[in-house]
Amino acid sequence: DAGVTQSPTHLIKTRGQQVTLRCSPISGHKSVSWYQQVLGQGPQFIFQYYEKEERGRGNFPDRFSARQFPNYSSELNVNALLLGDSALYLCASSLGRLGSGSGANVLTFGAGSRLTVL
Amino acid sequence: GIQVEQSPPDLILQEGANSTLRCNFSDSVNNLQWFHQNPWGQLINLFYIPSGTKQNGRLSATTVATERYSLLYISSSQTTDSGVYFCAVGASGSNYKLTFGKGTLLTVNP
Repeated sequence: DAGVTQSPTHLIKTRGQQVTLRCSPISGHKSVSWYQQVLGQGPQFIFQYYEKEERGRGNFPDRFSARQFPNYSSELNVNALLLGDSALYLCASSLGRLGSGSGANVLTFGAGSRLTVL
Repeated sequence: GIQVEQSPPDLILQEGANSTLRCNFSDSVNNLQWFHQNPWGQLINLFYIPSGTKQNGRLSATTVATERYSLLYISSSQTTDSGVYFCAVGASGSNYKLTFGKGTLLTVNP
C-alpha cells in the first residue's frame, strides 16, 4: 500500500514566481495537513483539510492557499514567492479530522517537497 | 499558543548506549506524537501517546499529561537511530494542528 506521496521532490523558483505542490494521501485517509519546515526548525502548521473543507489555518500570509479534491488529494499554492519561502514542505494524512478520535489522530508524513527560492 | 520545549537539543552517543529525550508542553493536550526525521528529511511516526506508556522494540515513550511532559527512551542505540527526534502536540482548544518542538539531534557513533 502506497504511503503519502508528494510531488515534485525538489524545485527551484525565483522571487515573485508561483508554485504548486501536490500531495496524495494514504488510501482511506480523508484528512490532509500541510507543514513548512525551514532549516534547523521543527515543522510549522500551514493548513488542515478534511472532507474537502479547510478545518484550520496557521499563521501564514494569504499568499499561501490550498485545496482538497474529491479523491482527497491536495494542492498547496504559494504566490509571489519570497526568499524566506525556501523550505521543506511536508504533507501529512490521517484517517480523520485531528481530535476526532485516537485512530484519526495519527499523522503519516510524505517525503516532502524541497523548495528553493532564488 | 502552546509552547513545546525539547531537551537536550543535541546528544552524542556511542553505539549500545541508552538515552532519554524530554518534551515539556505549556498547556493541556489531547494529541502527542513523537517523530524521527532521518537525514533525508523523512518524518517517521514513532508513537501516538497523549497519555500513558507504550513500547515498540528498543523504543518506549511515557506521557504524564497532568504534569505536561513526555519522555522518549531509546535503549541499545544503533547508528541508524541517528537523526532528529521531534515531539509534536495538539492542544485541547486547537486540535486541528500539531505544534512541534525544535527537536533533539541525536548522533550515534559506531
